[in-house]
Amino acid sequence: AQSVTQPDIHITVSEGASLELRCNYSYGATPYLFWYVQSPGQGLQLLLKYFSGDTLVQGIKGFEAEFKRSQSSFNLRKPSVHWSDAAEYFCAVGADNTDKLIFGTGTRLQVFP
Amino acid sequence: GAVVSQHPSWVICKSGTSVKIECRSLDFQATTMFWYRQFPKQSLMLMATSNEGSKATYEQGVEKDKFLINHASLTLSTLTVTSAHPEDSSFYICSARGQAGYNSPLHFGNGTRLTVT
Repeated sequence: AQSVTQPDIHITVSEGASLELRCNYSYGATPYLFWYVQSPGQGLQLLLKYFSGDTLVQGIKGFEAEFKRSQSSFNLRKPSVHWSDAAEYFCAVGADNTDKLIFGTGTRLQVFP
Repeated sequence: GAVVSQHPSWVICKSGTSVKIECRSLDFQATTMFWYRQFPKQSLMLMATSNEGSKATYEQGVEKDKFLINHASLTLSTLTVTSAHPEDSSFYICSARGQAGYNSPLHFGNGTRLTVT
């Protein structure tokens, strides 16, 4: 069965600094991978997704992620973080033969001015 | 873009009462809706998948009789927490997909904060 691990529970960065949020997945075949962002008390917004093809995917709000099969990773990056990026970030993988998504435990991002 | 409206955004109820949460797709027909539960500072736990006109498929460990899901139309799914208890207090989020398959975007509601006193 698929699973997703986000090793970092909480990350703090300064505004303007670069950001990388880690995500590791467990799946035998090529996975469907997603990154979502959640602001406090709200639902989730899709940042980007990977299904196949180019392993570097661009998303909204200046985010990108790179699929690395050899490392079973799909890390999220942003070159320069803005204070408005402070939120909870979830990595997710598509489950076998279904429409279900399996979410990681999330990484809370704090941004200091 | 596609919008999923979830109502109410928050609700407080007394122990033993039932609470209904609605999830509506406002500008698309949702063939599939998903209900998640999120504990504080934790991930989303999938509770069930509902398809219009058929019974919901519950995840292992989720009580069907306690969490009643009805997907009566292509734009509305409801989750009823029956005989609520304090341990049911949580953040419930619905999501909807217009078509089957991961190529169809998954749209999330803004969630419902349930507090059972």
